[in-house]
Amino acid sequence: QVQLVQSGAEVRKPGSSVTVSCKASGGNFNKYAFTWVRQTPGQGLEWMGRIIPFFGTTNYAQRFQGRVTITADKSTTTAYMELSSLRSEDTAVYYCARQDHIYYYHMDVWGTGTTVTVSS
Amino acid sequence: TVVTQEPSFSVSPGGTVTLTCGLNSGSVSTTYYPSWYRQTPGQAPHSLIYNTRARSSGVPDRFSGSILGKKAALIITGAQADDESIYYCMLYMGGGISVFGGGTKLTVL
Repeated sequence: QVQLVQSGAEVRKPGSSVTVSCKASGGNFNKYAFTWVRQTPGQGLEWMGRIIPFFGTTNYAQRFQGRVTITADKSTTTAYMELSSLRSEDTAVYYCARQDHIYYYHMDVWGTGTTVTVSS
Repeated sequence: TVVTQEPSFSVSPGGTVTLTCGLNSGSVSTTYYPSWYRQTPGQAPHSLIYNTRARSSGVPDRFSGSILGKKAALIITGAQADDESIYYCMLYMGGGISVFGGGTKLTVL
């Protein structure tokens, strides 16, 4: 059974950075992309970006370009999302999800989410 | 690019409801590989439908997907009380980029 286990809740000050991890267990890490999706309080889902670990390639939503960096460590089957220059509007739950990047582009397995709070 | 969904919808128990997923400009086709996700409060989303009409593992056949006119559609038949959720569509825009719609809050009453 494939599971995505995310790191714990974080509290950061405005202007700082945060890194959230997502460890995949089960399945073939190299066959998929790993995507980051955020949900601000009371709002919808927002696709942030993804990485295909096998190739090391990344794609980012335009609104996060320059502020988000997604990486992956194939040896530990873990994906990471770093968001910098944090502001209060970045307070959200951040989800990682496994994405089929070859055929149908959907997210079939989701992590449980990591709450990031940005507050002075 | 804005992916559009009805903000809310209501259906009677046992009824049928069609939720749609469009684009602010242009039509949704199968080449956008529409997928649908369901989220209940405090939980992570989970996959319902992918590649327009394929059901994810364990999803009952009361849930189906299609293209209706210029939009992708999620059709729920025989609505049940526990179908109350927020339903999100997602479109693959190409170049590795995906976009979610704003979500539809479904009420069963």
